[in-house]
Amino acid sequence: NAGVTQTPKFRVLKTGQSMTLLCAQDMNHEYMYWYRQDPGMGLRLIHYSVGEGTTAKGEVPDGYNVSRLKKQNFLLGLESAAPSQTSVYFCASSFLGTGELFFGEGSRLTVL
Amino acid sequence: AQKVTQAQTEISVVEKEDVTLDCVYETRDTTYYLFWYKQPPSGELVFLIRRNSFDEQNEISGRYSWNFQKSTSSFNFTITASQVVDSAVYFCALKLDTDKLIFGTGTRLQVFP
Repeated sequence: NAGVTQTPKFRVLKTGQSMTLLCAQDMNHEYMYWYRQDPGMGLRLIHYSVGEGTTAKGEVPDGYNVSRLKKQNFLLGLESAAPSQTSVYFCASSFLGTGELFFGEGSRLTVL
Repeated sequence: AQKVTQAQTEISVVEKEDVTLDCVYETRDTTYYLFWYKQPPSGELVFLIRRNSFDEQNEISGRYSWNFQKSTSSFNFTITASQVVDSAVYFCALKLDTDKLIFGTGTRLQVFP
């Protein structure tokens, strides 16, 4: 049972480059989330989705875009990467809004 | 404003010691949910427990126990007879009647043999 899978696991970008992080879940969950984790900051919500075709902003949405074209996938895009976006990104999903989140293994992104 | 505070940045104990991780939350809502998550060295966060604001009963699960006190807005987590495998970062989180979880900054627990 794969659960929540994130790709890629590691990526190094130069300032101004773009990239997309893919999150896939096989639990048929309605809700999906993207968080970033930075030292001393805990996890901060970037964007989330409560169902296919819907997205909403979290605490720190600037510089990111998301799409949920299929229920099982939630994409996080960086159009023009900045060093401040160096972080570990976590995708999570949940059955409706229970708060019991299932997390992926994380994607470490470095922007030079 | 809603907020979760985990004042303990890092705790170190020796195996078999008991350890308590503190969590203090702020909200004006009467309906809310509290959570604890564990992040082991592998990185993937794992759900441990969920409590709703109307249930102040303490909970015990093996060596883990949780103490919820609305009077002090706290939801503390105690590990009894700690083991090396308990070494991880532990996050407390708050959910209001919305779809979002608000996480604390985490407490890193190191258990030495």
